[in-house]
Amino acid sequence: NAGVTQTPKFRVLKTGQSMTLLCAQDMNHEYMYWYRQDPGMGLRLIHYSVGEGTTAKGEVPDGYNVSRLKKQNFLLGLESAAPSQTSVYFCASRLLGSYEQYFGPGTRLTVT
Amino acid sequence: AQSVTQLDSHVSVSEGTPVLLRCNYSSSYSPSLFWYVQHPNKGLQLLLKYTSAATLVKGINGFEAEFKKSETSFHLTKPSAHMSDAAEYFCVVTELYSSASKIIFGSGTRLSIRP
Repeated sequence: NAGVTQTPKFRVLKTGQSMTLLCAQDMNHEYMYWYRQDPGMGLRLIHYSVGEGTTAKGEVPDGYNVSRLKKQNFLLGLESAAPSQTSVYFCASRLLGSYEQYFGPGTRLTVT
Repeated sequence: AQSVTQLDSHVSVSEGTPVLLRCNYSSSYSPSLFWYVQHPNKGLQLLLKYTSAATLVKGINGFEAEFKKSETSFHLTKPSAHMSDAAEYFCVVTELYSSASKIIFGSGTRLSIRP
């Protein structure tokens, strides 16, 4: 039982490049989330999903897209990276009816 | 509207002394409250949660928190700090039965432990 895993752990992009971050969970959780963490700002919700095939916008969705084609995977895409997207990205999941979120180890992204 | 305020961005205590990390919240309905801990370069781990049962909640590693509705507070305490407690702590509020977009994180409190 690996819990929540994220790929990659680190990435450096140039402005305008695109990339996809992968989140996978093996706990059969219905809900999945993408957050970004910036110094002094806590975690801010980018997008979330309440089930396979469904996604919704969170607090800071601009510049990001997501997909949930399989229940266990939640992908976060950056179509044209900007320096403002330099951050640490966390994926989380939770079971329907529970309020505890399980977090992945994070992806540190730098956009130059 | 929901919000959560962590009153101290940084707390420093000596090993063996008590820890107090302060959190105030506002919520229109019945809130669920959580404390998460994040060790350097790691993900977040749940310390404890309040979901409308007992107001004094015990968590892992000797931490506990008390839900005080009259003061809209959910402060985190530990009687005796250990060096391994050095980490960032986040207070989180969400409303029962709310949508996922109403999970609000505080800005975090960094706890340092002096030998």
